[in-house]
Amino acid sequence: GQQLNQSPQSMFIQEGEDVSMNCTSSSIFNTWLWYKQDPGEGPVLLIALYKAGELTSNGRLTAQFGITRKDSFLNISASIPSDVGIYFCAGLRYTGNQFYFGTGTSLTVIP
Amino acid sequence: KAGVTQTPRYLIKTRGQQVTLSCSPISGHRSVSWYQQTPGQGLQFLFEYFSETQRNKGNFPGRFSGRQFSNSRSEMNVSTLELGDSALYLCASSGTRDTQYFGPGTRLTVL
Repeated sequence: GQQLNQSPQSMFIQEGEDVSMNCTSSSIFNTWLWYKQDPGEGPVLLIALYKAGELTSNGRLTAQFGITRKDSFLNISASIPSDVGIYFCAGLRYTGNQFYFGTGTSLTVIP
Repeated sequence: KAGVTQTPRYLIKTRGQQVTLSCSPISGHRSVSWYQQTPGQGLQFLFEYFSETQRNKGNFPGRFSGRQFSNSRSEMNVSTLELGDSALYLCASSGTRDTQYFGPGTRLTVL
């Protein structure tokens, strides 16, 4: 199925640094979701965005719904070791009512 | 509210066998979607059920089938297993059309 373009593919950062990742598509989406997945577990929903331009925070995480509706961004501030994992974006188009997923960003935090 | 549950968590089968995986959505959620996750292909959409009807289907062969019961619980069946079917199978439930919550997954290994 169609997948969203997510970058970067992987990141190695020092504890305390900020992290930025994004998802882009050639299509317009009505909803953007961000998930974190630990090895062998299911993705856990972090943030949901429903409106173009919307900026939503969840603790140290902040995500934005791009104004063009074709992209979304996730920022993590002051990273800690437990932030390690794979972060996925997901977009929903009302046409077809199906979620499309990014390829994931693997985050490694070095203490 | 209890989250999405999936059983079993781990499964080992041999080629040619068939397997049935089970998913119980969050209470009150009527939509259940199934995904296959592999390192090479990422998250691939299998199908979605809503009120016991298949509402959407991905591009998988007919060996992959599913159903949903009146209590919204869903099962997924894979017949004539192939080595390439080894994957993490994820179930996600939705209460509204705009958000999905994932279960922990079933790790299927085909030998």
